[in-house]
Amino acid sequence: NAGVMQNPRHLVRRRGQEARLRCSPMKGHSHVYWYRQLPEEGLKFMVYLQKENIIDESGMPKERFSAEFPKEGPSILRIQQVVRGDSAAYFCASSPQGLENNEQFFGPGTRLTVL
Amino acid sequence: RKEVEQDPGPFNVPEGATVAFNCTYSNSASQSFFWYRQDCRKEPKLLMSVYSSGNEDGRFTAQLNRASQYISLLIRDSKLSDSATYLCVVLAGGSYIPTFGRGTSLIVHP
Repeated sequence: NAGVMQNPRHLVRRRGQEARLRCSPMKGHSHVYWYRQLPEEGLKFMVYLQKENIIDESGMPKERFSAEFPKEGPSILRIQQVVRGDSAAYFCASSPQGLENNEQFFGPGTRLTVL
Repeated sequence: RKEVEQDPGPFNVPEGATVAFNCTYSNSASQSFFWYRQDCRKEPKLLMSVYSSGNEDGRFTAQLNRASQYISLLIRDSKLSDSATYLCVVLAGGSYIPTFGRGTSLIVHP
């Protein structure tokens, strides 16, 4: 049973380009969370999705950031017109049900570097 | 006051030592508590959930003190492999958005 998969593991972009991060949850998991972790900082919640629905995006900047979890395929976190401050590790996590009853399993993360 | 606070450390202890970390939370409606472990540049992994009655898993013991709003993690007989950052995670009742502490760094040396 494969764990949560994220790709790419490392992504380098120049300022103004788009970054597209992918997350494939564990088999049977329909809940996906995205987090951002800056160096020496804790994980910050960005967005919570279920298949085809955004449940809560309160942690995601209104500008330039968007997320989706289509019926088929991985969840995508998209960052448009990246800036240096977007450089961080982006982790996704999945769970089979709502978090209050289940632990979440994290992917290995995507490390985004904006030049 | 931050929602979830942890002493960043590092806690530097010799092998075999007993070490304890605390994590305080500000939201009295918090219902679920977890300890995660994160190795350098890796993803967090669940270490243990924290129950009201406390729980133990081998060398690890977690406790919850609702009155003082903190949870603790005790590690006995520390191993070199215990070196990592330990993240406290708190979930308010009815919420699905976890709040992570910044983590406490533990370094176990020979």
